Amino acid sequence: DAGVTQSPTHLIKTRGQQVTLRCSPKSGHDTVSWYQQALGQGPQFIFQYYEEEERQRGNFPDRFSGHQFPNYSSELNVNALLLGDSALYLCASSLMEGGRMFFGEGSRLTVL
Amino acid sequence: AQTVTQSQPEMSVQEAETVTLSCTYDTSESNYYLFWYKQPPSRQMILVIRQEAYKQQNATENRFSVNFQKAAKSFSLKISDSQLGDTAMYFCAFIWVASYDKVIFGPGTSLSVIP
Repeated sequence: DAGVTQSPTHLIKTRGQQVTLRCSPKSGHDTVSWYQQALGQGPQFIFQYYEEEERQRGNFPDRFSGHQFPNYSSELNVNALLLGDSALYLCASSLMEGGRMFFGEGSRLTVL
Repeated sequence: AQTVTQSQPEMSVQEAETVTLSCTYDTSESNYYLFWYKQPPSRQMILVIRQEAYKQQNATENRFSVNFQKAAKSFSLKISDSQLGDTAMYFCAFIWVASYDKVIFGPGTSLSVIP
């Protein structure tokens, strides 16, 4: 049983570009959450998707957007990249009815 | 707003010894869960232990146990018989039950187990 998988594992972009990160949840999970983890800090909640809709959102600008597909996989999009967007982006999946949350290994984004 | 504080940025412990990591949190809610997550260099966040706020009994999971003091809003993690594989970042985390898995993480404690 595959756990949460994320792609790509590493990527480098320049300021002003756009990036798309992808996440496949653990088999059977219907909810996907995204977190941003800056170097040396704890993860910060970006948003959560369930039934292809954004259920709740953290304190992130509209440049951060997402999508959930019918197969429960998800994408995180960031537009107009800033140097400060450099971070590890973690995806976590769970069941909306409750239960343990599982994390992927993250996508390391570097903005130059 | 809920906040989680970890006052020890770095700690070290000799292999086979015991170490305690501290965590305090602030919330006005009564129904919540607390967690300790481990993040090794592989980057994957791994759940170490979980505590329901309504339970008075402290959670234990093999070599890992917590000291949950609800009135003091304190939630420390004790690691017994430390092993080299315990070397990692440890994050204390909070979920308000009604927040649909929005996890609030602390800033983390870097633990090094010394052979």
